[in-house]
Amino acid sequence: EAAVTQSPRSKVAVTGGKVTLSCHQTNNHDYMYWYRQDTGHGLRLIHYSYVADSTEKGDIPDGYKASRPSQENFSLILELASLSQTAVYFCASGTGGSQDTQYFGPGTRLLVL
Amino acid sequence: GEQVEQRPPHLSVREGDSAFITCTYTDPNSYYFFWYKQEPGASLQLLMKVFSSTEINEGQGFTVLLNKKDKRLSLNLTAAHPGDSAAYFCAVSASSGQKLVFGQGTILKVYL
Repeated sequence: EAAVTQSPRSKVAVTGGKVTLSCHQTNNHDYMYWYRQDTGHGLRLIHYSYVADSTEKGDIPDGYKASRPSQENFSLILELASLSQTAVYFCASGTGGSQDTQYFGPGTRLLVL
Repeated sequence: GEQVEQRPPHLSVREGDSAFITCTYTDPNSYYFFWYKQEPGASLQLLMKVFSSTEINEGQGFTVLLNKKDKRLSLNLTAAHPGDSAAYFCAVSASSGQKLVFGQGTILKVYL
C-alpha cells in the first residue's frame, strides 16, 4: 500500500511568518509533488521534484519554495506567508510519466491570519 | 497549456439514481485520464485510470466514458448510494509529461 504522510496536518500561521510543510513517502517513488486546493478549484501544482536535491516549478510557484533533501522527503516552504496562501496543501508521490498514478497524502490545512 | 473544465460543481441525487459528471479538456495530446474521489476531510483516492484508446471503462458502480473527438471525459455513477457522497475530480496528463491538470471538482451528495 502506497504511503505518503504529511506534517503538520493543520497549522495556523501569521502573515509574514515562515511556514514549512513536510512530506514523507515510503513508496520508493522518484517523483514528488506539492499541490494546493482551494474551494471551488481543483488541485493546482506548486512544485515538483524527480530527484533528490532538485526541484521544478509547477503552475503556481510564486510565493513558495521547495526542498527535496532525499528521495523520501519533500518540503514546501512559505518564506513570508500571506492571507492568500490559506488553503489545503497536498503532497503526492509517483513514478513519473504520463500514465503514472499519483498517490496523495492526507493534506495539510493551513490558515494564515 | 492544458485546461480542464469540470461540470457540474455541485450535484445532488436521490439514492438509486445516476450521477453524471463531465470534464472537457483542451490538449489533443492528452493521453491518460484519471478520476479521483475525495471524501470529506480525506485525501484523494484513485477511482480509475483511463488510457486514451479506451472509450468505456467500468468499475464497481460506475462507468467512465472517453470521447476523444469531443475531448470529453465523463463519470457516471449508476445507482448512487450515500457512500458515494464525496468530491470527485478528473485529471488529465499529456503524453509528453508527468504533470496532472485537475478539473475544478464536483461535490456530490446522495440523499435518501
